Amino acid sequence: DIQMTQSPASLSASLGETVTIECLASEDIYSNLAWYQQKPGKSPQLLIYYANSLNDGVPSRFSGSGSGTQYSLKINSLQSEDVSIYFCQQNYDSPWTFGGGTKLELK
Amino acid sequence: QVQLQQSGAELVKPGSSVKISCKASGYTFTSYDMHWIKQQPGNGLEWIGWIYPGNGNTKYNQKFNGKATLTADKSSSTAYMQLSSLTSEDSAVYFCARRKRGGFAYWGQGTLVTVSS
Repeated sequence: DIQMTQSPASLSASLGETVTIECLASEDIYSNLAWYQQKPGKSPQLLIYYANSLNDGVPSRFSGSGSGTQYSLKINSLQSEDVSIYFCQQNYDSPWTFGGGTKLELK
Repeated sequence: QVQLQQSGAELVKPGSSVKISCKASGYTFTSYDMHWIKQQPGNGLEWIGWIYPGNGNTKYNQKFNGKATLTADKSSSTAYMQLSSLTSEDSAVYFCARRKRGGFAYWGQGTLVTVSS
């Protein structure tokens, strides 16, 4: 199975700040990488697919980048509604696997 | 619009089975895989498997072979997941989800399964 390692596990940032979350795959996943946002008690919501494509309706302050085994999610100008847990997920090979999550809080 | 409506929370005894449902609407049910995903409290997400309702084909995460059985009823546009021989390790929220492009773009609201005597 492809292992997905996310960092950091938790992150505290101020409103308006830029934050970056990293995801490392155990092997090349050829940009088959998605990012999700999950708020407490809710289902995950797709933010980014194919590493850098923004899903419909997602604010442009979210962006994804990376290739090979290393990927990142960047949130520009952090808003209060961005407080959530973020997960990465590889779609390259079955079984699809997720990162352990990054909990983003306001400082 | 695509909607996935899951059945309600279940409290079940160890050793028993449970069957949860996911009713799809807003798209052609038989044209897309339906996936199931497990989330334990405080833990991450685990992909269980998918079913293609058009022909009933399934694919499972090897970890869930023998634990989960996926079925689908085309007449009611409903996907089902049965979990058997339940233990405390099966206590979790279970989601159904449908892919779009390169990710799970549509999710059910989740079904909480609690295994307790």
